[in-house]
Amino acid sequence: GAVVSQHPSRVICKSGTSVKIECRSLDFQATTMFWYRQFPKQSLMLMATSNEGSKATYEQGVEKDKFLINHASLTLSTLTVTSAHPEDSSFYICSARDRGGSSYNEQFFGPGTRLTVL
Amino acid sequence: AQSVTQLGSHVSVSEGALVLLRCNYSSSVPPYLFWYVQYPNQGLQLLLKYTSAATLVKGINGFEAEFKKSETSFHLTKPSAHMSDAAEYFCAVSDIPGANSKLTFGKGITLSVRP
Repeated sequence: GAVVSQHPSRVICKSGTSVKIECRSLDFQATTMFWYRQFPKQSLMLMATSNEGSKATYEQGVEKDKFLINHASLTLSTLTVTSAHPEDSSFYICSARDRGGSSYNEQFFGPGTRLTVL
Repeated sequence: AQSVTQLGSHVSVSEGALVLLRCNYSSSVPPYLFWYVQYPNQGLQLLLKYTSAATLVKGINGFEAEFKKSETSFHLTKPSAHMSDAAEYFCAVSDIPGANSKLTFGKGITLSVRP
């Protein structure tokens, strides 16, 4: 099956620093990747949709200058949390849609990255 | 616009008992529906999906779900719960396929399985 990886799986940083999270599709090409944020015991909230070679589309209320997304290739998207603060601490999950997949819009999810900002 | 309602936040069953997790959806177009499972500190794994074919969908690990348009429901069931089924379960709805179509998730249900 389609595999999506995320790196790192866990990161702890000081307030004010920037953190980059990578999302890779390992065995397929993904024209579209999605970034979600999940608070403890809550659902996934879509932050942005990332299309290869173009600017990301952010959901309402998500600061694009705070959460920088780059989708430079068909297998890699990155999320950079700039000037991180404790309120940015969360579980970040990416997903990818197979360019060559069927028409039913399935997304394949990465294992998530736990960000803790001190 | 689309939305998903998962009533309740926690379901507890005994090992071997029937599992029933409820999901109701709202969609302005024929929906594609999904159930995902999430184990602690992990990403989401697809259990099953409805994509306008058979209304009774069978998934992995013995789970199945039935799409009922008249009730706008897509409840997840498993005849006999196993301890390893304890996890968080999310129902999600998607609109028609397209470059920017998105998944909308319900708030999730925690399934506990008692020995």
